[in-house]
Amino acid sequence: DQQVKQNSPSLSVQEGRISILNCDYTNSMFDYFLWYKKYPAEGPTFLISISSIKDKNEDGRFTVFLNKSAKHLSLHIVPSQPGDSAVYFCAASEQGTYKYIFGTGTRLKVLA
Amino acid sequence: ETGVTQSPTHLIKTRGQQVTLRCSSQSGHNTVSWYQQALGQGPQFIFQYYREEENGRGNFPPRFSGLQFPNYSSELNVNALELDDSALYLCASSPGGGDGTYEQYFGPGTRLTVT
Repeated sequence: DQQVKQNSPSLSVQEGRISILNCDYTNSMFDYFLWYKKYPAEGPTFLISISSIKDKNEDGRFTVFLNKSAKHLSLHIVPSQPGDSAVYFCAASEQGTYKYIFGTGTRLKVLA
Repeated sequence: ETGVTQSPTHLIKTRGQQVTLRCSSQSGHNTVSWYQQALGQGPQFIFQYYREEENGRGNFPPRFSGLQFPNYSSELNVNALELDDSALYLCASSPGGGDGTYEQYFGPGTRLTVT
């Protein structure tokens, strides 16, 4: 039972344009969501998080949107840069459990 | 500030053997989690340790066990290795403690191959 789903295995975007990565979840108890970026031969790097009490969180070029009623979150990267090319994982947790449930990842390729 | 480190980087073992993987937490972090990432999948939670006690466990059999030491470093032990145990093993540390959630910071992982 995949509680966190990233239905797009890959995405290609032109440099300078917007990248939108999507994530759906099924467990209504999840109240904390994160995005991680992973380069080959490295561990996942924390990008941005959002609590369920918010619907948007912004950090520089990265913005995460949360739609609780649809159980959907998205990561927007504007403008996209070639260095953003990586696999992006979304993760969710219930408050206090510290256990993250990860999606299967979306491979983003930003074309120069 | 030193990040999360893991050793070894790569390891090849034979089915039935035992393996120990090691992790040093980021300075100031008292919670360590271990994840298994199979090829093409997201990381799957194995277990977590908080102040030397197991604080939660995922759907992994008892042959996966762990330890956390007073300096908050940690070990993952896997007994009776199976071919399906071949994966990237990730350690993550966080400040932890109390209610709420904290970002977890990952090490580079140990690539285990079981033949």
